[in-house]
Amino acid sequence: DQQVKQNSPSLSVQEGRISILNCDYTNSMFDYFLWYKKYPAEGPTFLISISSIKDKNEDGRFTVFLNKSAKHLSLHIVPSQPGDSAVYFCAASARGGGADGLTFGKGTHLIIQP
Amino acid sequence: ETGVTQSPTHLIKTRGQQVTLRCSSQSGHNTVSWYQQALGQGPQFIFQYYREEENGRGNFPPRFSGLQFPNYSSELNVNALELDDSALYLCASSYPGTFTEAFFGQGTRLTVV
Repeated sequence: DQQVKQNSPSLSVQEGRISILNCDYTNSMFDYFLWYKKYPAEGPTFLISISSIKDKNEDGRFTVFLNKSAKHLSLHIVPSQPGDSAVYFCAASARGGGADGLTFGKGTHLIIQP
Repeated sequence: ETGVTQSPTHLIKTRGQQVTLRCSSQSGHNTVSWYQQALGQGPQFIFQYYREEENGRGNFPPRFSGLQFPNYSSELNVNALELDDSALYLCASSYPGTFTEAFFGQGTRLTVV
């Protein structure tokens, strides 16, 4: 039973355009959400997070939106750059950082085309 | 900052054997978590150690065990290896309850044959 779902295994976007990565979750107890970025042969790197008390968080080119009623979050990257090509994981926590660990989606491979 | 380092980077084991994976945590971080990432999947939480004690565990059998040492480095031990244990094993260090500060190592690729 997958509690965090990323339904697009891959996404191709032209350089300079907006990249939108989507994530859905089923567990109502999740109260903290994170996006990680992973390059080949490296560990995941934290990108941006959002608490369930907010609906938007912005950090430079990256914005995460949370729609609690739809149990959906999205990551917007504007403008997309070649270095953004990587696998992006959506992750969630049920205790805002407690000892239950993070629940990850399967990832979306973002490819930025020149 | 020294970063999170894991060793070895790759290894091959035979079914039924035992394996130990090692992780040196980010300087100042006293919490270590281990994750298993199977091919085509996202990382799955195995367990977390804080102050040398396990304080959280995912849905993994007891043959997955761990240790945390006074210097906050950590080991993951897997007994009676099965073919399905083949995966990338990731270690992450953080301050307790602060996932935004979680730093992942590059992982250990374990292949069980």
